[in-house]
Amino acid sequence: GDSVTQMEGPVTLSEEAFLTINCTYTATGYPSLFWYVQYPGEGLQLLLKATKADDKGSNKGFEATYRKETTSFHLEKGSVQVSDSAVYFCALLRMDSSYKLIFGSGTRLLVRP
Amino acid sequence: DAGVIQSPRHEVTEMGQEVTLRCKPISGHNSLFWYRQTMMRGLELLIYFNNNVPIDDSGMPEDRFSAKMPNASFSTLKIQPSEPRDSAVYFCASSTFTAPQPQHFGDGTRLSIL
Repeated sequence: GDSVTQMEGPVTLSEEAFLTINCTYTATGYPSLFWYVQYPGEGLQLLLKATKADDKGSNKGFEATYRKETTSFHLEKGSVQVSDSAVYFCALLRMDSSYKLIFGSGTRLLVRP
Repeated sequence: DAGVIQSPRHEVTEMGQEVTLRCKPISGHNSLFWYRQTMMRGLELLIYFNNNVPIDDSGMPEDRFSAKMPNASFSTLKIQPSEPRDSAVYFCASSTFTAPQPQHFGDGTRLSIL
């Protein structure tokens, strides 16, 4: 079945460091891909999305490119801030009649000043 | 624009009591999803509705759990009787079905069963 695999956390970085959070997926067809972010005590917020191969989603300095050949959608940011500390979820949207979101397990990011 | 609205934000009750969680989706969205989040199991999809009709409830853990969507602007998730292992954060999300779009999440209800 469809699935999403994320790197284990927590990821701890110093402010202004480069961030990569790996995400790979298994799916039939051509799913849409998403990154969601969850700040403490809040719900999930959509961070960025990509709907087809080679699309690059970007928002708030974060980027991720839909790589069909490697079935990956890695999240990157060139310079993290303390305020980026949160849990990040990679997800795919099944493009069958269900349109169900399949989530990865989440990666906690901690950015130290 | 108002987002997905959930109530209550926090609920603390004793085991055996009935618990009702409420959700108002974004206006115009015709799909609604209920999730449960725990440290041990992460995010789990419990049930989802399209046009107020339950489509897949395979994630509902037991018969103690039930969900309804009487109209396009309101849904409930009920647990009766509640047990301590039901303690979790419950999220509601909504999206449009006719054009696949990302789901928009509410802030969740933190449920503690003593």
